[in-house]
Amino acid sequence: GAGVSQSPSNKVTEKGKDVELRCDPISGHTALYWYRQRLGQGLEFLIYFQGNSAPDKSGLPSDRFSAERTGESVSTLTIQRTQQEDSAVYLCASRDRGRETQYFGPGTRLLVL
Amino acid sequence: AQSVTQLGSHVSVSEGALVLLRCNYSSSVPPYLFWYVQYPNQGLQLLLKYTSAATLVKGINGFEAEFKKSETSFHLTKPSAHMSDAAEYFCAVSHNTDKLIFGTGTRLQVFP
Repeated sequence: GAGVSQSPSNKVTEKGKDVELRCDPISGHTALYWYRQRLGQGLEFLIYFQGNSAPDKSGLPSDRFSAERTGESVSTLTIQRTQQEDSAVYLCASRDRGRETQYFGPGTRLLVL
Repeated sequence: AQSVTQLGSHVSVSEGALVLLRCNYSSSVPPYLFWYVQYPNQGLQLLLKYTSAATLVKGINGFEAEFKKSETSFHLTKPSAHMSDAAEYFCAVSHNTDKLIFGTGTRLQVFP
């Protein structure tokens, strides 16, 4: 079946601009996660949605970062007033209810000039 | 709090040699442990996971890992490296189905 998809695959923006990244989870997966992977570093957790529960936003690095998810479908991660340190690969993952495994999308590579 | 340490950011082996990638974790609760592999310009693919069942876990592509509670380790091994194993490998820990906490990754190079 179809895996997690993300768009765009690459995004180049200028410092100060807003960007929106999209994630389409595996159909039926109730949980959705966003992670960030900066060059030469591991993955950092950003935010976690589980069904209709309040999202876990504990990993968002600043108030310039926000994310939304409509029901159990698409999620968008928005970065306002982008900074050069926001340059990274943003990875989305989804997980089925009651299962442990997170399935990752291919990521969006963001470059802030 | 949970954390993961991967010793060795780069590991090089010859084709056919043993692969050993080290992972140590810290967790105040029984952990779930994962190894993911990332090929260039691709997302992460699950290699194997430990979720409190058998301590020796077998995964895809001939990889396996052993959960050792006394050593707080979950090292990844493969008896014989193949050129196609060249990639970046990430160890991760979670509590139940919560967010994953990742190590900084180990880049594996395989030489002919």
